[in-house]
Amino acid sequence: AQKVTQAQTEISVVEKEDVTLDCVYETRDTTYYLFWYKQPPSGELVFLIRRNSFDEQNEISGRYSWNFQKSTSSFNFTITASQVVDSAVYFCALSEAGYGGATNKLIFGTGTLLAVQP
Amino acid sequence: DSGVTQTPKHLITATGQRVTLRCSPRSGDLSVYWYQQSLDQGLQFLIQYYNGEERAKGNILERFSAQQFPDLHSELNLSSLELGDSALYFCASSGQRPGSYEQYFGPGTRLTVT
Repeated sequence: AQKVTQAQTEISVVEKEDVTLDCVYETRDTTYYLFWYKQPPSGELVFLIRRNSFDEQNEISGRYSWNFQKSTSSFNFTITASQVVDSAVYFCALSEAGYGGATNKLIFGTGTLLAVQP
Repeated sequence: DSGVTQTPKHLITATGQRVTLRCSPRSGDLSVYWYQQSLDQGLQFLIQYYNGEERAKGNILERFSAQQFPDLHSELNLSSLELGDSALYFCASSGQRPGSYEQYFGPGTRLTVT
């Protein structure tokens, strides 16, 4: 069965600190996809990144970086020099491949609430 | 703006009632997904439609049903509502182009059952 674990329920940091959000996943599929979503206080779910199981290259986008390690089944998310606007709940999610480019369901972790204090 | 629209934004209704939530996917997306977010259950997949056909079912109650129309918009029908159905209901879409596996979420419909 597929499962995503985000062990950190809440993290509080002071602005400009670096913070890493952990994500551990379980799946028996050889082809799967990993995602991070951000849910700010306004409530919408914002897509941040997708990673394919066959691509372990890490990715950096501005202050955001992601570390994908199949050996430890982890897909961690680091925010460098955090800002107050980063305050949100962050969800890690997993899915298997579907037909015609359409994924199957997303399995979400329980989310990590990040509070960045000024 | 994800390009996915959901109406209404808020819905307050009484137990035993029936409501319909509506979703319009991003232009060209063939897949529509429904998710429920509640404090005790977290984010849970309910059902997926692909080009008008049901593709996958998750933890969707028998009191709930959905469909996707020829113009690809989707509706989620919730009937015999109970207090525990109060939640944020999200619609997502994907499949705009080959290799595009991301699901883009609408703003959600907050349902309150009193």
